[in-house]
Amino acid sequence: EVQLVESGGGLVQPGGSLRLSCAASGFTFSSYEMNWVRRAPGRGLEWVSYIASSGSPIYYTDSLKGRFTISRDNAKNSLYLQMNSLRAEDTAIYYCARGDGTTYQYGMDVWGQGTTVTVSS
Amino acid sequence: DIQMTQSPSSVSASVGDRVTITCRASQDISSWLVWYQQKPGKAPKVLIYAASSLHSGVPSRLSGSGSGTDFTLTISGLQPEDFATYYCQQAHSFPFTFGPGTKVDIK
Repeated sequence: EVQLVESGGGLVQPGGSLRLSCAASGFTFSSYEMNWVRRAPGRGLEWVSYIASSGSPIYYTDSLKGRFTISRDNAKNSLYLQMNSLRAEDTAIYYCARGDGTTYQYGMDVWGQGTTVTVSS
Repeated sequence: DIQMTQSPSSVSASVGDRVTITCRASQDISSWLVWYQQKPGKAPKVLIYAASSLHSGVPSRLSGSGSGTDFTLTISGLQPEDFATYYCQQAHSFPFTFGPGTKVDIK
């Protein structure tokens, strides 16, 4: 079964850091582009970051201003999101999502169940 | 960045109704438009990619059309499992952007 399982979310104080992980199974992880997408409470979906199957290129949404870093370990079938200088507006459910595999332009076809990040003092 | 808008923001409909959701891009994105469905407490699911291609397993009562800046998602014969929020996403260029969503609820 194709599956993505996120972990690492939790409660963190403003200015703190968290590292999210996404464990992939049931497919050849190293062949697929990956993304992080978030949904803040009461808001819609926001794409956060993309990483190619080889690890490059990488893209981010403009609003992050260099605070987040996406990475992957193909040997461990894992995707990561290092989040620094966290703000209240980063509070959201964070999903990892697989690129279609044909082209990134076909969207994201497999999603994890999400991990919740809450930034609050 | 490419801005995406959707209309309406919400629609109330009955089982069997035909529902049409519109998505507009702030610039030409060719056919690089993806539609997703999200239900409360669940992850999004892809419905349509490349504006009009149905993802595997998606029922044929859903259809997509459009190119350039204007796109539509149509649900013909609404079923109980279709009550959800629908998002469009431009996949033309990075950064990807989503529309604000359209909630389809029961009249």
